[in-house]
Parts: sequence; structure tokens; C-alpha cells
Amino acid sequence: DGGITQSPKYLFRKEGQNVTLSCEQNLNHDAMYWYRQDPGQGLRLIYYSQIVNDFQKGDIAEGYSVSREKKESFPLTVTSAQKNPTAFYLCASSIAVSEGYNEQFFGPGTRLTVL
Amino acid sequence: SQKIEQNSEALNIQEGKTATLTCNYTNYSPAYLQWYRQDPGRGPVFLLLIRENEKEKRKERLKVTFDTTLKQSLFHITASQPADSATYLCALVAGYSTLTFGKGTMLLVSP
Repeated sequence: DGGITQSPKYLFRKEGQNVTLSCEQNLNHDAMYWYRQDPGQGLRLIYYSQIVNDFQKGDIAEGYSVSREKKESFPLTVTSAQKNPTAFYLCASSIAVSEGYNEQFFGPGTRLTVL
Repeated sequence: SQKIEQNSEALNIQEGKTATLTCNYTNYSPAYLQWYRQDPGRGPVFLLLIRENEKEKRKERLKVTFDTTLKQSLFHITASQPADSATYLCALVAGYSTLTFGKGTMLLVSP
């Protein structure tokens, strides 16, 4: 089956710890994205990548880091510098980052809770 | 500043009626506007895309309109069903950029 997988579905971490969220796609898409969603809020863009070994900051990149070593994979690390990390994290992909005519395909999400 | 506004109050309708959701935007000149459906605890799913030179787009029971003068898109679900209950997000992009999403409107269809 083609699609995007995220793991784990639920993640708990202690304050001060870094944690990495996994995102894999087998759609052969060039572009991948990470969003954060808080209750009653829209999706806010954290980072995106248009091609392997390249990524760009989104609107709320502080306290997060990413890598894009393979086309299929775009892991997100939530660092201890992120002041309010508890949220629902969504990974998405599209054929390309272009002028808005490419739909985005989303993964099932990871709910991160900081204890 | 750029804003995308969707009604934050849930829309409650009866099964069989037409649901109409609104997406207004300011300080954008989008070439495309997209609509997504999101169920609780899940990722959004793409529904429809409409281009700025298209007034209307249909897909089965769904219809989207795009009025660039009013800076508004309307999303209609005809003959609504309880299974249509979800949050609906609009998203748009201007120029060579990434999508910006509205906060979404929750639709509740009662039997």
C-alpha cells in the first residue's frame, strides 16, 4: 500500500529530553512537511523539504530540527529547547512544493506528551 | 497581515440537508485553494482543489466555489450524512510557497 507512516502513534517524554518522530513515505514524493496541531488550532508548519539533503524552516521552527538523508524519510527531532512541545504532530508529502496545486498526503500523526 | 478565517463554531445540521462551510481570506491572492477533511485524532485528507479562474468545482456530493473578488470560498455538502461529521479545513497558497491552513470548522450531522 502506498502512503505515509508515522511512528509512534503516542509518545511520552520527560522535560529536558530530546525525542525523534519518524516519518516515512513510499509515494515517491519529492516534498515532505512537518506540521504541529494544537487543540482548536490549525496546522502550523514546522519544517519542509523539497529535495534530499535540503530543508527549510516553516513558521515555528524554533526548538525543532530535521534531516532529509533519504527521499522516503523525514524525521523530526523535538529538542529540549522547544518550550511547549505537547501537541499532535503531522507529517505530509506532496509531489513537489510548487504553486499550490499539489495535494498533500498526511500520515496518521504522533501525539507527543511531555510529562 | 495574512489571515484565513473559518467559522470556529461547529455547524450542526440534520441528515439530508445541505451543509455550507465558509473560508474567508485577507491579504492573499491565491492561485489555488484546497479543502481537506480531518477526523478526530487523524491526519487531514484532501478533498478538492479549485483554481482562481474556476468559479465552481464539483465532486459527487461536494461542491466548492471560489470568489476572488469577495476573497471567499464556500464548501457545500449536499444530502449530508452522519458520516460526513468531521472538521473541514481550507488551505491556500500564493506564489511559490507552502500551503497555509485555516483552523477548520467542525460539522456535525445528526440523524
